[in-house]
Amino acid sequence: QKEVEQNSGPLSVPEGAIASLNCTYSDRGSQSFFWYRQYSGKSPELIMFIYSNGDKEDGRFTAQLNKASQYVSLLIRDSQPSDSATYLCAGFMDTGRRALTFGSGTRLQVQP
Amino acid sequence: EAQVTQNPRYLITVTGKKLTVTCSQNMNHEYMSWYRQDPGLGLRQIYYSMNVEVTDKGDVPEGYKVSRKEKRNFPLILESPSPNQTSLYFCASRETGKGYEQYFGPGTRLTVT
Repeated sequence: QKEVEQNSGPLSVPEGAIASLNCTYSDRGSQSFFWYRQYSGKSPELIMFIYSNGDKEDGRFTAQLNKASQYVSLLIRDSQPSDSATYLCAGFMDTGRRALTFGSGTRLQVQP
Repeated sequence: EAQVTQNPRYLITVTGKKLTVTCSQNMNHEYMSWYRQDPGLGLRQIYYSMNVEVTDKGDVPEGYKVSRKEKRNFPLILESPSPNQTSLYFCASRETGKGYEQYFGPGTRLTVT
């Protein structure tokens, strides 16, 4: 079992809709999680990070963390065509290496 | 400007010809990593370094070497590249600890024929 699981998509939503991206993780002791956006051929860029149970909002983005269910999500409100990208979920799974473990990403397509 | 730089950005080489991809960061970060990214497999850590002269294997270290002689630089060395090392490579850096943003370089697309 992969340590961070994401549906590869593509997830297709119309412009202006809410896009919901989900991620599950295997390490119950994981504390912090990150959402990165990656355009094709480009490097990942940080969108949101979340450490505590509940919701964290930043502009059109809301990250949700449910440690009991080992579940992280990212909501994008008022989706724009420019949001079309692959979204990577990452968390600290291995305390020894202190490495971020990434999911394989969900491709989002926002249709104009 | 805070940044991670990598060179070269694109490289086509032949099997067995040694190559080095350089990585440099200007944020005084202790922790640096190399990742490779392949379709459907996501980002996988190759090697990491927690500080100068401290390096260790990540998930997929076979066929790669690294060194960390200075805090800012973390080169990736392929002594005898093979076609299965054709990939998109990213260098990254951050502060040590679990709660810090990881900054990525622009990527190096390597093709080994």
